[in-house]
Amino acid sequence: SQTIHQWPATLVQPVGSPLSLECTVEGTSNPNLYWYRQAAGRGLQLLFYSVGIGQISSEVPQNLSASRPQDRQFILSSKKLLLSDSGFYLCAWSDRGHQPQHFGDGTRLSIL
Amino acid sequence: RKEVEQDPGPFNVPEGATVAFNCTYSNSASQSFFWYRQDCRKEPKLLMSVYSSGNEDGRFTAQLNRASQYISLLIRDSKLSDSATYLCVVNKAGAGTYKYIFGTGTRLKVLA
Repeated sequence: SQTIHQWPATLVQPVGSPLSLECTVEGTSNPNLYWYRQAAGRGLQLLFYSVGIGQISSEVPQNLSASRPQDRQFILSSKKLLLSDSGFYLCAWSDRGHQPQHFGDGTRLSIL
Repeated sequence: RKEVEQDPGPFNVPEGATVAFNCTYSNSASQSFFWYRQDCRKEPKLLMSVYSSGNEDGRFTAQLNRASQYISLLIRDSKLSDSATYLCVVNKAGAGTYKYIFGTGTRLKVLA
C-alpha cells in the first residue's frame, strides 16, 4: 500500500532563516505531488504541484520554492523565512486520472 | 464567486441526528468531487469520492447535482466522533487532473 512521509512534524524558526521540508511517497510510481499551506482557521492554499521529476508549477508568488529531485521526493524550501510563512504545511500525492489526494501528517511551522 | 463554497457552520447537532452539508462549485466542467474530513490540527483525510449516481458508505451518503453544480454529504445517526471539519474538494477543470480546489470547510459538532 502507498504511504506518505512528511517531516518534521513541528518546526520553530527565526525570521530570515532558511527552510527545508521534505516529503516522500512509497508504494507508487510517478505520482502527482503537492505542497499546501493552511493558515490557522483557514482553507488549504495550493503552493506547488509536480507531475514529474524536475517539473514544478508554482501557484502563488512567494519566497518559497519547491524541488522534485527524485520521483517520490518533494522538497519545500526557502532561503529567508518571513513571519507570514507561519502555518501548517501539507504534502500530498495522487495517482493520475481523477484520483483523490492523500496527505502527509503535516508540518506546523512557527516563525519567531 | 468562489470556485468552491461551503457554509462554514458550525453545525451543532445532537448524537443520533441526521445532518447534511452542501457545497457549490463554479466550473461546470469539473469532473472529480470528494469529501474530506479534517480533525483539529490534523491533515485532511479522504472520506469519500462523489460519483454521478450518488454513493453511500455506511452512515455517509454523497450526492452530485451537476445541473445545479453542488455536491452534498449526508451523515445519518451522528456520533460524537463525527465532530470535525468537512472539506469539499473539486478538480480544477481546464487544468487536467493536476489541481484540486478545496472549500474552506464546514465545522460539525456532535453533542452528547
